[in-house]
Amino acid sequence: DAGITQSPRHKVTETGTPVTLRCHQTENHRYMYWYRQDPGHGLRLIHYSYGVKDTDKGEVSDGYSVSRSKTEDFLLTLESATSSQTSVYFCAISEEREKQYFGPGTRLTVT
Amino acid sequence: DAKTTQPPSMDCAEGRAANLPCNHSTISGNEYVYWYRQIHSQGPQYIIHGLKNNETNEMASLIITEDRKSSTLILPHATLRDTAVYYCIVRNYGGATNKLIFGTGTLLAVQP
Repeated sequence: DAGITQSPRHKVTETGTPVTLRCHQTENHRYMYWYRQDPGHGLRLIHYSYGVKDTDKGEVSDGYSVSRSKTEDFLLTLESATSSQTSVYFCAISEEREKQYFGPGTRLTVT
Repeated sequence: DAKTTQPPSMDCAEGRAANLPCNHSTISGNEYVYWYRQIHSQGPQYIIHGLKNNETNEMASLIITEDRKSSTLILPHATLRDTAVYYCIVRNYGGATNKLIFGTGTLLAVQP
């Protein structure tokens, strides 16, 4: 299995609070992605990164920001969490043009 | 990226071959077919991909029709651990973003 960890694995937070999720890889892959998964929607891309300090928006980026200051870490921040952001969040990595490897996921509940 | 159509669910007896269909009638010439699966509560797992030739690896076989408008993922001897949601994804290999667009997939239930 690819070396991908996500932290925390579970989090409960209140509406309006900031939340940061971390994805860490040990594979030195160039691309990193954040997806969210909700019932009836499959996985949807939030943001992705194609290198250190190089990021771009996915299809559901509103309310989220990301940062990648080094190859191995990709952070997803919810500046002010809302109940609609309750979801399971998956990080993925890939080398250029290759298949993606996914992390174990973070279950976030916003109350 | 082309859209795919998969049945929402399928059953398969343990030890038998599981054949999962996918329709991608609007696929273009430079788009590959990828298959991933997601076992309950885990992250998706890559299975196989192909362009136009049939492909086989240690997990599965991928059969793509000659017109490339549909494909079938074959798990030759399904086990209970193969129970998962299987996603068929069509995308441009090496596209600018390298992103995947997941649909709702097929829930394969392997029965003992």
